[in-house]
Amino acid sequence: AQSVTQLDSQVPVFEEAPVELRCNYSSSVSVYLFWYVQYPNQGLQLLLKYLSGSTLVKGINGFEAEFNKSQTSFHLRKPSVHISDTAEYFCAVRGHNAGNNRKLIWGLGTSLAVNP
Amino acid sequence: SAVISQKPSRDICQRGTSLTIQCQVDSQVTMMFWYRQQPGQSLTLIATANQGSEATYESGFVIDKFPISRPNLTFSTLTVSNMSPEDSSIYLCSGGTGNTGELFFGEGSRLTVL
Repeated sequence: AQSVTQLDSQVPVFEEAPVELRCNYSSSVSVYLFWYVQYPNQGLQLLLKYLSGSTLVKGINGFEAEFNKSQTSFHLRKPSVHISDTAEYFCAVRGHNAGNNRKLIWGLGTSLAVNP
Repeated sequence: SAVISQKPSRDICQRGTSLTIQCQVDSQVTMMFWYRQQPGQSLTLIATANQGSEATYESGFVIDKFPISRPNLTFSTLTVSNMSPEDSSIYLCSGGTGNTGELFFGEGSRLTVL
């Protein structure tokens, strides 16, 4: 079984500053990793995903994340945030194997508030 | 990618009534799921909608309360039965293709029960 921990429930940041949203996971099998974004009053949108290969993955809107297997982390970063990045961010993990490991396991979310 | 449409987008309902939410996907997906997102919370999986057969429910969710249909690959419904204020939430339909677990989401249906 897998679990996901998003270490910060809220992250306030000023516009044009860098930001890192932290995500750690635990799993007994290899995993796929995802970051989703939910803008106010909207559904969820995939930001980026790690399936295999390069551990640094780039997503939409200038976000990137790095898969660190030894630290079981998948932190999300952006070098310069905009007001429009204000949203809820969810980290999710899924095991490679079939059965129950196929379900996405979700973190509790991190609320990013970008202030002018 | 898949585009997922849900309706209604929001509704206000009276206690004791039932509401059916519809979900349409613009392309075939192998798996469809229904989630609940309570205010300020993360996503909780209600069930996996199986084509032509009974849905697979997660612990804490039962068919009598949340009947689900999926008559074909691109359409599913979720009914919230005998509603109470505790059912006030966002209900999200999602679909996935392939084996990687990537999901696409609808805009959600915001339900308020008075």
